[in-house]
Amino acid sequence: DGGITQSPKYLFRKEGQNVTLSCEQNLNHDAMYWYRQDPGQGLRLIYYSQIVNDFQKGDIAEGYSVSREKKESFPLTVTSAQKNPTAFYLCASSFSSYNSPLHFGNGTRLTVT
Amino acid sequence: DQQVKQNSPSLSVQEGRISILNCDYTNSMFDYFLWYKKYPAEGPTFLISISSIKDKNEDGRFTVFLNKSAKHLSLHIVPSQPGDSAVYFCAASARTDKLIFGTGTRLQVFP
Repeated sequence: DGGITQSPKYLFRKEGQNVTLSCEQNLNHDAMYWYRQDPGQGLRLIYYSQIVNDFQKGDIAEGYSVSREKKESFPLTVTSAQKNPTAFYLCASSFSSYNSPLHFGNGTRLTVT
Repeated sequence: DQQVKQNSPSLSVQEGRISILNCDYTNSMFDYFLWYKKYPAEGPTFLISISSIKDKNEDGRFTVFLNKSAKHLSLHIVPSQPGDSAVYFCAASARTDKLIFGTGTRLQVFP
């Protein structure tokens, strides 16, 4: 079955450590996205990539970094520069064509203490 | 500035009745609108979409209505079922631009 896999589901880190969240898709989608969900704030876009080896900042990119070396993979690194890293992180993908809906993974809950 | 607003954080509806979830937007360039459903600790799943050339789109129990002059869209669920209990997000985009999500409405369907 095609889909988007995010791992791990739960992640715990100490403050000051970088952490990388995994996202893999086998839907043959060109575009991939990272969102963050906080209570009462909906989904906010961190980074997105329309094609391999290219990505753009979203609305809240500070303190995050990404790479897109393969079409199937779009890992997100939460760096120690991110002031409030504890959140629910969602990866999504879509075809690049206009009006193609996003398909989401099941998310990773990151807790930083 | 919140371009997509869901002003009702929660809604409670009896099973079998109609659920109406509302969404307002401010950007007149938006021309594609979607609704997503999200269960706790899971990713959102796509429900239904509508483009600005239409004012209604229907898929089974779900119907989305778009009122461009009022910059308002709504999702109707008829009849509501307990399994519909979830958080519903509306989202909008302008051509070739990124999707903007609302803050969500938590729907609870009780017996």
